[in-house]
Amino acid sequence: EAGVAQSPRYKIIEKRQSVAFWCNPISGHATLYWYQQILGQGPKLLIQFQNNGVVDDSQLPKDRFSAERLKGVDSTLKIQPAKLEDSAVYLCASNLRAQSGEKLFFGSGTQLSVL
Amino acid sequence: AQTVTQSQPEMSVQEAETVTLSCTYDTSESNYYLFWYKQPPSRQMILVIRQEAYKQQNATENRFSVNFQKAAKSFSLKISDSQLGDTAMYFCAFMKHSAGNQFYFGTGTSLTVIP
Repeated sequence: EAGVAQSPRYKIIEKRQSVAFWCNPISGHATLYWYQQILGQGPKLLIQFQNNGVVDDSQLPKDRFSAERLKGVDSTLKIQPAKLEDSAVYLCASNLRAQSGEKLFFGSGTQLSVL
Repeated sequence: AQTVTQSQPEMSVQEAETVTLSCTYDTSESNYYLFWYKQPPSRQMILVIRQEAYKQQNATENRFSVNFQKAAKSFSLKISDSQLGDTAMYFCAFMKHSAGNQFYFGTGTSLTVIP
């Protein structure tokens, strides 16, 4: 089966610019997650979707980050304007259901460098 | 809130030897799941092993096994017969057993297998 697709793989921008990341989860997976992974740290949840609804966005910096999952399939994460501290790998993950302890399937991530 | 702690930032092991990676967690939940994920330089997060908290028997997957101590809130990963391909970052993760709950990750342990 196809895995979680993410694009772009790398992105370099200057501070105060905007950037968008795209994620296509595994077909049929209702739950989609965006994680931020700063170098040397573990992934930190930014936002979790169940179908097209937001389950948890408590750690999303809403003054600059936004995410949507129209139609409950693909998702886009946007940063506007970017700051130096946003430099990180942004990982998208999905699973069939949030409960029942099902494992997450991860994409390869987008590495963002903010100069 | 749930926290996951990995106290070993870096470890190394000789090829064919055995190594144990430590993980502790803090939760007031009684039903939950624990995971070990591997992240090689490609950034792709790969599930290594999964443990349900209600199961007393330790999970095993080929060369990988865990020592799950629920009372001590400890979940260590043992890698037997280490191979060069095991070189990667290893993340311990926790998930509550209820709807709409996210994964919490530790800070990771960088494992190097020495030829």
